[in-house]
Amino acid sequence: NAGVTQTPKFRILKIGQSMTLQCAQDMNHNYMYWYRQDPGMGLKLIYYSVGAGITDKGEVPNGYNVSRSTTEDFPLRLELAAPSQTSVYFCASSYSRVIRGANEQFFGPGTRLTVL
Amino acid sequence: AQKITQTQPGMFVQEKEAVTLDCTYDTSDQSYGLFWYKQPSSGEMIFLIYQGSYDEQNATEGRYSLNFQKARKSANLVISASQLGDSAMYFCAMRGQDGNQFYFGTGTSLTVIP
Repeated sequence: NAGVTQTPKFRILKIGQSMTLQCAQDMNHNYMYWYRQDPGMGLKLIYYSVGAGITDKGEVPNGYNVSRSTTEDFPLRLELAAPSQTSVYFCASSYSRVIRGANEQFFGPGTRLTVL
Repeated sequence: AQKITQTQPGMFVQEKEAVTLDCTYDTSDQSYGLFWYKQPSSGEMIFLIYQGSYDEQNATEGRYSLNFQKARKSANLVISASQLGDSAMYFCAMRGQDGNQFYFGTGTSLTVIP
């Protein structure tokens, strides 16, 4: 199993550009998440999904969009990049709590995004 | 509303000593899960240990143990026999009863001194 994969690892964007951060998992998890982590800070939830076709906003959704057309993939879209979106982005996945006891999140390696 | 509080921004511990990282939580849910993650300087998030709210015994995983005090709403991580490789950020997290979201604390930076 590859676990949770994210691409790209690094990216520099100019203000106003758009891009999609890719996330895929091969563990058949139904729950997937996107977080951002600003320097020296904790994780803030951007969006999450409890299954294909179902997404919901987290704490900091403004400026982002997501879709979940398959169980495996959960891309994050930045439409008009702004310097405030400079951050490290983590994708994560988990089972629903009725299937496994611990239900911990499995994280991807992160994408380091800089907006100049 | 769910909230996780980690009040220790930074901690130092001598190699081979034990250290306790504090975590308190606020929830009105009857059923919830508590997690600890380690984030080394390389950036990845590593799951360490889990405690369910109905688990009667404190969780242990190797050198990690979770001191769970339900009435005080605390879930402190204890690392025994600290190693240099334990130097990292440590995050406490909670999953609520609806199971949809995880709530993270702001983290504690642990430095192990040789």
